[in-house]
Amino acid sequence: GAVVSQHPSRVICKSGTSVKIECRSLDFQATTMFWYRQFPKKSLMLMATSNEGSKATYEQGVEKDKFLINHASLTLSTLTVTSAHPEDSSFYICSASHDYTEAFFGQGTRLTVV
Amino acid sequence: SQQGEEDPQALSIQEGENATMNCSYKTSINNLQWYRQNSGRGLVHLILIRSNEREKHSGRLRVTLDTSKKSSSLLITASRAADTASYFCATDIEGWGKLQFGAGTQVVVTP
Repeated sequence: GAVVSQHPSRVICKSGTSVKIECRSLDFQATTMFWYRQFPKKSLMLMATSNEGSKATYEQGVEKDKFLINHASLTLSTLTVTSAHPEDSSFYICSASHDYTEAFFGQGTRLTVV
Repeated sequence: SQQGEEDPQALSIQEGENATMNCSYKTSINNLQWYRQNSGRGLVHLILIRSNEREKHSGRLRVTLDTSKKSSSLLITASRAADTASYFCATDIEGWGKLQFGAGTQVVVTP
């Protein structure tokens, strides 16, 4: 149990376009989802926390207009990187938790902006 | 900001040897978790240790937690080439899945 699926696993997009990444909890209802970002050879940094049906809470320094997060249902959260630029290239990974217990991670999405 | 600091940053050992890495953190926590990440891939959850626990084992892994020193260690015994990866500690302050990751230890196990 506790499977989190993230899609796509890899995406290449042109500079200036927007990219949507999906995070789904397959066998449980995710009351809370988290989005992290990882630069090459670096650690993971929490970007935002999203609760179903409410606005996401962004960490300091994360542009909310740049990284749009929607948690429309108890099984799906999306991260949209708007007007992507090469500096947005990174590994993005989500995690999901149910009822304020430990979270489970998706497989991650490698975004390359060219 | 990162809650955890890990050392060493890199560790190179031979197969069969033990590997130990340490994690220190700054504030009180609900639990601490260790993850493995192979190059360019997702996270693999290794062990979760709660603040009221002092030691946990899982196969060849042993994790200790010293809340008085705000530190944890991960020991991999009888290492294998397949253990080559980056290892991260992550602290959960409130216990609901919001994690702060350490900088990671890159482990290379040579045959």
